[in-house]
Amino acid sequence: SQTIHQWPATLVQPVGSPLSLECTVEGTSNPNLYWYRQAAGRGLQLLFYSVGIGQISSEVPQNLSASRPQDRQFILSSKKLLLSDSGFYLCAWMGDNNEKLFFGSGTQLSVL
Amino acid sequence: SQQGEEDPQALSIQEGENATMNCSYKTSINNLQWYRQNSGRGLVHLILIRSNEREKHSGRLRVTLDTSKKSSSLLITASRAADTASYFCATARLETSGSRLTFGEGTQLTVNP
Repeated sequence: SQTIHQWPATLVQPVGSPLSLECTVEGTSNPNLYWYRQAAGRGLQLLFYSVGIGQISSEVPQNLSASRPQDRQFILSSKKLLLSDSGFYLCAWMGDNNEKLFFGSGTQLSVL
Repeated sequence: SQQGEEDPQALSIQEGENATMNCSYKTSINNLQWYRQNSGRGLVHLILIRSNEREKHSGRLRVTLDTSKKSSSLLITASRAADTASYFCATARLETSGSRLTFGEGTQLTVNP
């Protein structure tokens, strides 16, 4: 069966520090992968999605970047974090005939 | 306003009652989905309804879709305290061939024991 791993669960980083969040999927090949951000009490904002290795689409201009170095690995990065980067980051892959999203457990990022 | 807006923002009911949440959207869609999120966790897919369907059931869940009004509703019957969570609708837009989902702001459901 397919599983998605996302870590760390929580992260506290100072302003100006770099960021690297990793997400890996098991049990499927060539999945569509997604990074979402969720502000407290709000909906999900799509940040990036990828349909294959090295293929990244950005939904909103921002301080973040994404990479997909391997088929089942999706990384969210920043060179210098801003206060506004705080939030709950969710990785997901699209399964079931590319219709349904399956989410990781999320990373709560606090930038101080 | 955003594609996929839930109404109400918050709903508090007693165990055993039914909970109804609504979602409105703006563009043509391939399908509409409902997800559940427990506090501090990832979202879990509940049910998908296609644009050519009007109603769908899954256990205690009933989803309706009215494409003429661009709206959907999620009904949870005989609610339980364990149903307490945030519920989000998500739309797969026609022009993106379903590869991207747009989420609403969610409804926070509290079921009191």
